Amino acid sequence: DTEVTQTPKHLVMGMTNKKSLKCEQHMGHRAMYWYKQKAKKPPELMFVYSYEKLSINESVPSRFSPECPNSSLLNLHLHALQPEDSALYLCASSQDRVAGELFFGEGSRLTVL
Amino acid sequence: QKEVEQNSGPLSVPEGAIASLNCTYSDRGSQSFFWYRQYSGKSPELIMSIYSNGDKEDGRFTAQLNKASQYVSLLIRDSQPSDSATYLCAVNGAKGSARQLTFGSGTQLTVLP
Repeated sequence: DTEVTQTPKHLVMGMTNKKSLKCEQHMGHRAMYWYKQKAKKPPELMFVYSYEKLSINESVPSRFSPECPNSSLLNLHLHALQPEDSALYLCASSQDRVAGELFFGEGSRLTVL
Repeated sequence: QKEVEQNSGPLSVPEGAIASLNCTYSDRGSQSFFWYRQYSGKSPELIMSIYSNGDKEDGRFTAQLNKASQYVSLLIRDSQPSDSATYLCAVNGAKGSARQLTFGSGTQLTVLP
């Protein structure tokens, strides 16, 4: 059983829709991450929250908006996405911001029509 | 030059054989090294971490690190069909920042029954 839970597992949205991806962890980890993964490629870092504060934004377009309501929750708000944004979006957590030992959720597979 | 390079694969081994997965990295200051396993359509799962030169064993898995040669490997003994997956090498830089965690492109392993 994964200790990082992501919802929804699958999402189909149009380019004008607004949707959100959600992530929850109950391991007491203080760092949480959003990664994007395209088929047959490694994960690409998007955002890092450390102690509920945004510490890294890897120049991600503003149509992706992260939010960390508390130390256990991480959201990714999606608006006006493009078809090329279709990918597997992975949430991960780690003990602290010294990254490496990441625990990934099962991912949210996003399709933008 | 890629910062973390892995055998392009795919790699096929017969059941019961030793699978050897290799990874080289370019940043001499790298301090921590990780192997993730990713089954098709699933999220990455951390299987090994190694921080100092030498071997680290965990069950059928052995990670080997040689910082002088900037080389890290993963050996899987008594390979099973259930080991068939893509294996991602990840390397973190001196400061351990999430931004410095670099994934290789992965090696796809198939264990033939």
